[in-house]
Amino acid sequence: GESVGLHLPTLSVQEGDNSIINCAYSNSASDYFIWYKQESGKGPQFIIDIRSNMDKRQGQRVTVLLNKTVKHLSLQIAATQPGDSAVYFCAEVSNKAAGNKLTFGGGTRVLVKP
Amino acid sequence: EPEVTQTPSHQVTQMGQEVILRCVPISNHLYFYWYRQILGQKVEFLVSFYNNEISEKSEIFDDQFSVERPDGSNFTLKIRSTKLEDSAMYFCASSPNGVAGGETQYFGPGTRLLVL
Repeated sequence: GESVGLHLPTLSVQEGDNSIINCAYSNSASDYFIWYKQESGKGPQFIIDIRSNMDKRQGQRVTVLLNKTVKHLSLQIAATQPGDSAVYFCAEVSNKAAGNKLTFGGGTRVLVKP
Repeated sequence: EPEVTQTPSHQVTQMGQEVILRCVPISNHLYFYWYRQILGQKVEFLVSFYNNEISEKSEIFDDQFSVERPDGSNFTLKIRSTKLEDSAMYFCASSPNGVAGGETQYFGPGTRLLVL
């Protein structure tokens, strides 16, 4: 969901369990989506991307699902580890003709419990 | 692995002063960006830059802001007269190109700007 100020949605997950983070995007014309991970005090770190002509893409321990009908993205993290604790943002690329600006979602904080 | 670097990591300035935030994008990347993140909020687009000119800018990027690529490696963001509300984390990003497969943006570690 969207964040307002400091009130980020938080997902608490037990180490070793799978995590699912959801994101709703706004622009039906967006054709490229990226998930970023942001640890405290650091810049967004690329995790995985997906193009709009796909509905699923897998990486190492991560899977992104895209549902264009309802403008929804999800990120699945398998066997969540303590190092996965961070804020996760989805981002959509819109207005490609003008330079590929990223529009970020509000973020979800993932807390991994040992 | 190549990285985007930014300096300084922290900058404290007085309201009304000029600041210049510096970035070294990944070499051979062609598109450059500045974003900002106010504490606890989401990352917001400021400006994109390609072929030595601004491609797009947001409404945040008013006349107080400017960008420059003074040489073959640096990319700078200047705020001419800082305001309290400019306090934020500023991120530089770069991407190889703008076409499919090359538009992934890689972010630097950020500069935390505090305006007093």
